[in-house]
Amino acid sequence: GAVVSQHPSWVICKSGTSVKIECRSLDFQATTMFWYRQFPKQSLMLMATSNEGSKATYEQGVEKDKFLINHASLTLSTLTVTSAHPEDSSFYICSATDGGQAEKLFFGSGTQLSVL
Amino acid sequence: RKEVEQDPGPFNVPEGATVAFNCTYSNSASQSFFWYRQDCRKEPKLLMSVYSSGNEDGRFTAQLNRASQYISLLIRDSKLSDSATYLCVVIRGFKTIFGAGTRLFVKA
Repeated sequence: GAVVSQHPSWVICKSGTSVKIECRSLDFQATTMFWYRQFPKQSLMLMATSNEGSKATYEQGVEKDKFLINHASLTLSTLTVTSAHPEDSSFYICSATDGGQAEKLFFGSGTQLSVL
Repeated sequence: RKEVEQDPGPFNVPEGATVAFNCTYSNSASQSFFWYRQDCRKEPKLLMSVYSSGNEDGRFTAQLNRASQYISLLIRDSKLSDSATYLCVVIRGFKTIFGAGTRLFVKA
């Protein structure tokens, strides 16, 4: 089956630093990738949708200057949390689809971010 | 009101029990429905699709009622390994909407 690789799986950083999370589709071309955030005991919340070669579409309430998304190729999307603060500590997950329809989502394994 | 609502639980059941989860969605334009399973600090994994005609996979049965905008998941003969959070997922257009999940604990 399709595989999506996400790394790092776990990162601790100091407040004010930036953290980059990578999401790669290993055996298919991901025309669309999604980034989610999940706080403890809460559901996945969609942050943004990115299509290869175009600007990401952010959900309401998500700061685009805070969470920079780049989808430069059909196999790679990155999420950069800029000037991270403790309230950004969360579980971030990417998912990808190859057909534009979200019928079958292939998830990365997630990144646990802890900002001190 | 959330577009997809689930009873958060937790459901604490003994091994061998039958447990049922419910989910409701508010937008009648929703077109596809799924149940995902998520273990703690792991990515969600597709458990099964949900159809109006019902869908059974081993011990798991999923059902969709479009008129009531209601989705269910039935787990028979619960195993310890079934302990997880079960997410109701609805697709509307190009949007995928996740329910908050129902936590299940199966105890020996």
